[in-house]
Amino acid sequence: DGGITQSPKYLFRKEGQNVTLSCEQNLNHDAMYWYRQDPGQGLRLIYYSQIVNDFQKGDIAEGYSVSREKKESFPLTVTSAQKNPTAFYLCASSMGGSLNEQFFGPGTRLTVL
Amino acid sequence: QKEVEQDPGPLSVPEGAIVSLNCTYSNSAFQYFMWYRQYSRKGPELLMYTYSSGNKEDGRFTAQVDKSSKYISLFIRDSQPSDSATYLCAMEGSASKIIFGSGTRLSIRP
Repeated sequence: DGGITQSPKYLFRKEGQNVTLSCEQNLNHDAMYWYRQDPGQGLRLIYYSQIVNDFQKGDIAEGYSVSREKKESFPLTVTSAQKNPTAFYLCASSMGGSLNEQFFGPGTRLTVL
Repeated sequence: QKEVEQDPGPLSVPEGAIVSLNCTYSNSAFQYFMWYRQYSRKGPELLMYTYSSGNKEDGRFTAQVDKSSKYISLFIRDSQPSDSATYLCAMEGSASKIIFGSGTRLSIRP
């Protein structure tokens, strides 16, 4: 089965702790993305990567970090510097290029207590 | 002003009704327009995409783009309770980025 997996589905952390969200794809896509979704605000881009070992900040990168060491994997770390980390996090991938159909994973709901 | 504006709803209609969902945008350079459907607590899934002005039909769904007015629509005919979801419009921005609307929550009453 080809697709994008995100784990875990639900994650609870104490304030001040860093946490890493996993995203894996077996679609052989070059580009991968991380979005944050809050109620009534749609999807906001955190980071994206168009190729291995390269990534760019999105619109709300502060307090987050990523790595892209493998084509299949694009983990997101939510650091203690992120002031409001509780949200629904979505990972997506696409073939890249100008026509950009993005396919999404099932999401991780992070709650910081 | 946001690049893409979408009425958040919620929109509630009876089963069988025709649903019209709309977005406006400000950047005339947008060329590629998409509609995503998102069920509660799930990731969005691509429903339809268009690359030009005019209509595109797929079963009960029709996507319409009016570039002169910077306005896109998604019509759902013979709506079903299973169509209840949040619908997000999206447009291709720069550097392979997609700009999403905030989503319209739709509920189809049996």
